[in-house]
Amino acid sequence: DQQVKQNSPSLSVQEGRISILNCDYTNSMFDYFLWYKKYPAEGPTFLISISSIKDKNEDGRFTVFLNKSAKHLSLHIVPSQPGDSAVYFCAASAWNSGNTPLVFGKGTRLSVIA
Amino acid sequence: GAVVSQHPSRVICKSGTSVKIECRSLDFQATTMFWYRQFPKKSLMLMATSNEGSKATYEQGVEKDKFLINHASLTLSTLTVTSAHPEDSSFYICSARPTGSNQPQHFGDGTRLSIL
Repeated sequence: DQQVKQNSPSLSVQEGRISILNCDYTNSMFDYFLWYKKYPAEGPTFLISISSIKDKNEDGRFTVFLNKSAKHLSLHIVPSQPGDSAVYFCAASAWNSGNTPLVFGKGTRLSVIA
Repeated sequence: GAVVSQHPSRVICKSGTSVKIECRSLDFQATTMFWYRQFPKKSLMLMATSNEGSKATYEQGVEKDKFLINHASLTLSTLTVTSAHPEDSSFYICSARPTGSNQPQHFGDGTRLSIL
């Protein structure tokens, strides 16, 4: 029973265009959501997060949107660059606490084509 | 920023060998660290929560006698895969978060374990 779902295993986008990565969750106790980026043979790198009290958080080219009623979040990358090509993991947790583990989706492989 | 170091990055060994993986927080203290395992084309699956000075908390289905976790200090947790077999071959990764902060979890670069 997957609590965090990334239904698109892969996505291809042209350089300069917008990349939209989607994530759905089922556990209504989740109130803190993160996106991580992962290159091959490396650990995930934190990108951006959002707590359930917000519906949008922006950091440079990256924006995360949260729709609590739909239990859906998305990551927008604008403009997309070739260096953004990686696997993106959506993660969620209940309470933003140091002792709370993250639940991950399966990831979406983004390819940005020059 | 916070850095988590994981060692070794890759291990190839014979069946029956025990393998120790280290996870260190380099510039912060972490009372809690997490160990994950990733199979090909699958998500990161939490194996256990490592607690400094006390026993680890294992997820359902994870054998605690198989995967020994020790968190002896605020900057080091170790995962030992005992008597490893080919089915234990996987990508193991740890994460940690500065104690008392609201920073996100930071991950090590993972260990690719291959059991022949």
